[in-house]
Amino acid sequence: QKEVEQDPGPLSVPEGAIVSLNCTYSNSAFQYFMWYRQYSRKGPELLMYTYSSGNKEDGRFTAQVDKSSKYISLFIRDSQPSDSATYLCAMHTGFQKLVFGTGTRLLVSP
Amino acid sequence: GAVVSQHPSRVICKSGTSVKIECRSLDFQATTMFWYRQFPKKSLMLMATSNEGSKATYEQGVEKDKFLINHASLTLSTLTVTSAHPEDSSFYICSASVWTGGTTEAFFGQGTRLTVV
Repeated sequence: QKEVEQDPGPLSVPEGAIVSLNCTYSNSAFQYFMWYRQYSRKGPELLMYTYSSGNKEDGRFTAQVDKSSKYISLFIRDSQPSDSATYLCAMHTGFQKLVFGTGTRLLVSP
Repeated sequence: GAVVSQHPSRVICKSGTSVKIECRSLDFQATTMFWYRQFPKKSLMLMATSNEGSKATYEQGVEKDKFLINHASLTLSTLTVTSAHPEDSSFYICSASVWTGGTTEAFFGQGTRLTVV
C-alpha cells in the first residue's frame, strides 16, 4: 500500500464548476499537508498548506484535512481554464521529507 | 513565497557525458535541499536529501556514484549526473525548505529537463 493515494485523473470539468481533489494516506504520523499545482514541464508551486484538521480557505481554494479519516481535500470554486494543471498533495511528519501523491490532472474547459 | 532558482531548465547531452544542475535559494538560506526525479505523468520521486556541509542522504535504489550531490553553501546545491545514459533522461526538480513559524515549507525550482541522446 502506498503511503499516499491520489487518483491520477484526468478530471474534466466545465468552467465555473466546483472541483474536488482528494488524497488518502496511511501514516498517522503525517502532521503537515500541502497542495501543489504543477503546470506542464514546470516545478510544483505551493498552493495551500495546513497542519490541523478542518478547513483553510484562500480565495477560490479551500483545503480540508480530516486526520481521523486520513483524508485531505482541495476544493476549487468557480474553476477557470487557467486552473488546468496537475495537482499534487504532499505531506510530512515534521522532519521535512515530503511524501507526494501521484497527482491529479485537472482539465477545465471554457 | 521564497524563490528557488534551478538552472539549466533544459539540457541535451550525449551518452557518456556528465551534466551539472544547479539549485539556488535566492532570498533565503536553505540548510536542506531535496532532489527529485519525475517521469512523464508520474509523481515526484525523492532521490536524495542534501544538507549543507555534509554528505547527501540518498533514497534506496538511487546510485550515489551516478548522481553526485554537492551542497557547499546555504544557497547552492548541485546535482551532477555522471556518465549519463538515455535512461537518465527525465525531469529533475530541486526544492529547498524554509522554516515558517512552526514548521517548514518546501519551495521548488522550475525543474530541469534532461535528454540524453
